[in-house]
Amino acid sequence: NAGVTQTPKFRVLKTGQSMTLLCAQDMNHEYMYWYRQDPGMGLRLIHYSVGEGTTAKGEVPDGYNVSKKKKQNFLLGLESAAPSQTSVYFCASSLAGGIQETQYFGPGTRLLVL
Amino acid sequence: AQSVAQPEDQVNVAEGNPLTVKCTYSVSGNPYLFWYVQYPNRGLQFLLKYITGDNLVKGSYGFEAEFNKSQTSFHLKKPSALVSDSALYFCAVRDVASGTYKYIFGTGTRLKVLA
Repeated sequence: NAGVTQTPKFRVLKTGQSMTLLCAQDMNHEYMYWYRQDPGMGLRLIHYSVGEGTTAKGEVPDGYNVSKKKKQNFLLGLESAAPSQTSVYFCASSLAGGIQETQYFGPGTRLLVL
Repeated sequence: AQSVAQPEDQVNVAEGNPLTVKCTYSVSGNPYLFWYVQYPNRGLQFLLKYITGDNLVKGSYGFEAEFNKSQTSFHLKKPSALVSDSALYFCAVRDVASGTYKYIFGTGTRLKVLA
């Protein structure tokens, strides 16, 4: 049981390049999330998914797109990277609401945009 | 709109002393409240949560938190701090009345336990 995994662990991009971050979970969770973590800002929600093919915007969605074609995978795309997107990106998953509601986080992807 | 405040960037405490990490929240309806811990270069790990029921919630590693509706607070506490508790702590809230599954995180509090 690997939990939540993220690929890649680290990436350097040049301004204007594109890339996709992959998140996978093997816990059969319905909900998945993408956050970015910046010093002094805490975690900010980028996009999230409440089921296959259903996604919604979080606090800071601009410049990012997401794809959720399978229950266990959630992709975060940067179409044209900017230095302001330099950050650590975390994926999380959770069961639906109620007593079991808890987010499980991946180890993070460190992205540097030059 | 929902929000979370962690008023202290850093808390220093001597090993063996009690510790408190503060969190206040603002939601329009009833909150679900969470504490997570982050060790260096790692993802966040769940510590404890308040969903419903008893206002005093006990979690992992001897931590506990008290939900105080009148003060809109959910402070994290531990009776006796360990050096290994040194980490970054995040409070998070979900506004159940919003009908969405969006979580808002605080900016984090760095806990430093001194030997």
